[in-house]
Amino acid sequence: DGGITQSPKYLFRKEGQNVTLSCEQNLNHDAMYWYRQDPGQGLRLIYYSQIVNDFQKGDIAEGYSVSREKKESFPLTVTSAQKNPTAFYLCASSISRFSRGPNQPQHFGDGTRLSIL
Amino acid sequence: AQSVSQHNHHVILSEAASLELGCNYSYGGTVNLFWYVQYPGQHLQLLLKYFSGDPLVKGIKGFEAEFIKSKFSFNLRKPSVQWSDTAEYFCAVNAQGNQGGKLIFGQGTELSVKP
Repeated sequence: DGGITQSPKYLFRKEGQNVTLSCEQNLNHDAMYWYRQDPGQGLRLIYYSQIVNDFQKGDIAEGYSVSREKKESFPLTVTSAQKNPTAFYLCASSISRFSRGPNQPQHFGDGTRLSIL
Repeated sequence: AQSVSQHNHHVILSEAASLELGCNYSYGGTVNLFWYVQYPGQHLQLLLKYFSGDPLVKGIKGFEAEFIKSKFSFNLRKPSVQWSDTAEYFCAVNAQGNQGGKLIFGQGTELSVKP
C-alpha cells in the first residue's frame, strides 16, 4: 500500500538541540516537500526537492536543513537556529515537475508534531 | 507574489445546512486549484482539483467547487453537510509551469458541524 510515512508522530526538542524529522515515500515520486502548519496560518513551504541530490528553499527555510540522498527519503532537520520550532510538520510528494500534463496533486504524510521542552 | 486567502477562519453549521467556503487567489496567469481536507487526527487529503475544462468540479463526499476566473475565486460548496464533515479545509493554488507542484496554501477554514 503506497504512501508517505513520517516519523516520529510526536517529537520534543530541548533548547540548543537539533532534531531530524523523517519522511519516506514508496510512491516512486520525484518531488518531495516539507511544510509547516501553524494555527491560523495554514501551510507554509520550508524546503522542496524535485530530484535526488537537489533541493530548494521555500518561503521559511531559515533554521532548517534538508538532504535528498535517496529518492524515497527527504529528512528535515530543525536546527537550534530555528527560534520558534513548535509546529506541526507535514511532508508531501508529487509525481514530477518533468511529467507531461498538469502539475500533479501532492500526497501528504500524517505529520510530526514538534514541541519544545 | 502569489497568495491565497480564505475568508472564513471558523464556520459552525448544523447538519443538513448548506456550505460555501470562500477562496480567492492572486495570480494573473493560468493556475491549478485544489481543496484539501484534514479530518481531526488525520493527514491532509485531496478533496478536489481544477486543472482545465469545466469550471465546476466535483470531488469526493459530495463536495464541489466552482472556478470563476474573473473573480480569482475557487469556492467550495456542499448542499447538505454532515457531522462527519467536521474538519479543516485548505484551498491551494499553483501556477501552471511553475517549479513543479509547489503549492501556495490559504490559512485554512475550520468547519464544525453540530449534530
